[in-house]
Amino acid sequence: AAGVIQSPRHLIKEKRETATLKCYPIPRHDTVYWYQQGPGQDPQFLISFYEKMQSDKGSIPDRFSAQQFSDYHSELNMSSLELGDSALYFCASSRTSSRNTIYFGEGSWLTVV
Amino acid sequence: GQQVMQIPQYQHVQEGEDFTTYCNSSTTLSNIQWYKQRPGGHPVFLIQLVKSGEVKKQKRLTFQFGEAKKNSSLHITATQTTDVGTYFCAGPGNTGKLIFGQGTTLQVKP
Repeated sequence: AAGVIQSPRHLIKEKRETATLKCYPIPRHDTVYWYQQGPGQDPQFLISFYEKMQSDKGSIPDRFSAQQFSDYHSELNMSSLELGDSALYFCASSRTSSRNTIYFGEGSWLTVV
Repeated sequence: GQQVMQIPQYQHVQEGEDFTTYCNSSTTLSNIQWYKQRPGGHPVFLIQLVKSGEVKKQKRLTFQFGEAKKNSSLHITATQTTDVGTYFCAGPGNTGKLIFGQGTTLQVKP
């Protein structure tokens, strides 16, 4: 079965640089979520999109932005990167009719040096 | 705001021993979901509980949802080294996002 696809899987950036993460949800899933997970932490909700519209916003810094495109893929843009942004970023998707069971991608490791 | 608390944070057991992690929500939940994350991996959906007092089993794993739909537990019987990982409970917040508990990291000594 198709899963949530994230790219890149790993990236290293320097402070103050920008980074873009991409996410391709499971086909026919109408909601995309972005989560940030620091070392030893639980996933923290950043932002979500339902049918290409932002549906909820969590602890996403103002330096970050995200959008969902017409083909339902989503991108998380991170600017002015800080050392504290180093984390595992998960994209997840769900289908509204499935009682919000959320399926996670394998994550993108961001290291800021 | 809505919070999901999970205990214990860590648990070390000898292979063959049982393991339980507990989850409590500050609000009544419409459902609760459990995920397992292996070291270096991503959260993998295990199960969803919807009904008050619901009990579901998956082989050696038993999941319970409290009568008040505010707490849940995961019990593993006779742990194996393949059970190693972090187990998260998660409850839905508004707009469907999941609010995760802090997770319980299970270590199993062979």
